[in-house]
Amino acid sequence: ELKVEQNPLFLSMQEGKNYTIYCNYSTTSDRLYWYRQDPGKSLESLFVLLSNGAVKQEGRLMASLDTKARLSTLHITAAVHDLSATYFCAVQSRGGSNYKLTFGKGTLLTVNP
Amino acid sequence: GAGVSQSPSNKVTEKGKDVELRCDPISGHTALYWYRQSLGQGLEFLIYFQGNSAPDKSGLPSDRFSAERTGGSVSTLTIQRTQQEDSAVYLCASSPDKNYGYTFGSGTRLTVV
Repeated sequence: ELKVEQNPLFLSMQEGKNYTIYCNYSTTSDRLYWYRQDPGKSLESLFVLLSNGAVKQEGRLMASLDTKARLSTLHITAAVHDLSATYFCAVQSRGGSNYKLTFGKGTLLTVNP
Repeated sequence: GAGVSQSPSNKVTEKGKDVELRCDPISGHTALYWYRQSLGQGLEFLIYFQGNSAPDKSGLPSDRFSAERTGGSVSTLTIQRTQQEDSAVYLCASSPDKNYGYTFGSGTRLTVV
């Protein structure tokens, strides 16, 4: 059974600082997603990482994937208050269940002035 | 439609009553998913539809839960004899097919009192 572990689960940062959220998963996969969720809102797709070594960047967020280590990172550069949200990684299963995404528990990010 | 639409957005029901939650996916999306988001539990997979058939119902928590999809479009998740532990946000997502990431609806917040 695929397990996805995110850490930290809670992250309080000051504006202007950098930090990284980690996403580890237990079985082979080569497709990983990052989502953002604002309070009371739905999940918004941020990045799709499709292969080993993939790196995607959008604004102050950069995501990478290392399929050998079964690890993805979401790096936040010079955080601003607008980035406060919950961030989820989700790993796509292989084989017969390849339609299924398994989610981490999410990282609640609070960026303080 | 432009996005995945779910209704109602909020539902408060008495324990023991039946509820129906509706999902209207993006037009043309053949794959449809239901997930449940509970505090501290992250997102749990419930069921996957490809067209009108449900190849994977493995995430439905009990036989009180059922879902159907008609016309390859709208889906209804029905919970019979609701219990307090059913309280959660129920999220629907759709995708063009199983190899693409999901687009989520804004969810139905179910509270069983």
